[in-house]
Amino acid sequence: ELKVEQNPLFLSMQEGKNYTIYCNYSTTSDRLYWYRQDPGKSLESLFVLLSNGAVKQEGRLMASLDTKARLSTLHITAAVHDLSATYFCAVENTDKLIFGTGTRLQVFP
Amino acid sequence: DAGVIQSPRHEVTEMGQEVTLRCKPISGHDYLFWYRQTMMRGLELLIYFNNNVPIDDSGMPEDRFSAKMPNASFSTLKIQPSEPRDSAVYFCASSFMPAGGSYEQYFGPGTRLTVT
Repeated sequence: ELKVEQNPLFLSMQEGKNYTIYCNYSTTSDRLYWYRQDPGKSLESLFVLLSNGAVKQEGRLMASLDTKARLSTLHITAAVHDLSATYFCAVENTDKLIFGTGTRLQVFP
Repeated sequence: DAGVIQSPRHEVTEMGQEVTLRCKPISGHDYLFWYRQTMMRGLELLIYFNNNVPIDDSGMPEDRFSAKMPNASFSTLKIQPSEPRDSAVYFCASSFMPAGGSYEQYFGPGTRLTVT
């Protein structure tokens, strides 16, 4: 059974700081997705990583994928309050996605 | 495109009542997924369809839950009878796989169900 683990589960960080969220998964997959969920809202796609070594960047967020290590990272640069949300990684498994537990990010002044 | 449409957005019902949640996927998408999200259990995949056919319903918690997809543009998730522990946000998502593409899923706004 494919398992997807994220850490940390909760992250409280100061504006302007950098941090990384980690996503580990248990079986081979070449494709990984990152989603964002604001409180009380739905999930919104952030990044689609389709191969080993893939790197995508959008604003202060950068995602990367290492399929050999079965690891993806979501790096936050110079955090701002607007980034406060829950971030999910999801691993492609045949035709469906297996979601991680989510990382709740709070950015404070 | 309007995106994935779900109705109702909020539902409050009494224990024992039947609840029907509805979903319209994005036009052209051939996969449809039903998820449930709670604080305790996180995001759970309940069932998914491909070309209107159920592929995997192993996440459906018990016989009180049933899902149908009578055509490519409509799906329902029914709970009968409902119980307080069914209170959750239910999301519908859809996807399609273009050649060389991905199974990126697009989520609807969700239905917040409260069973009293």
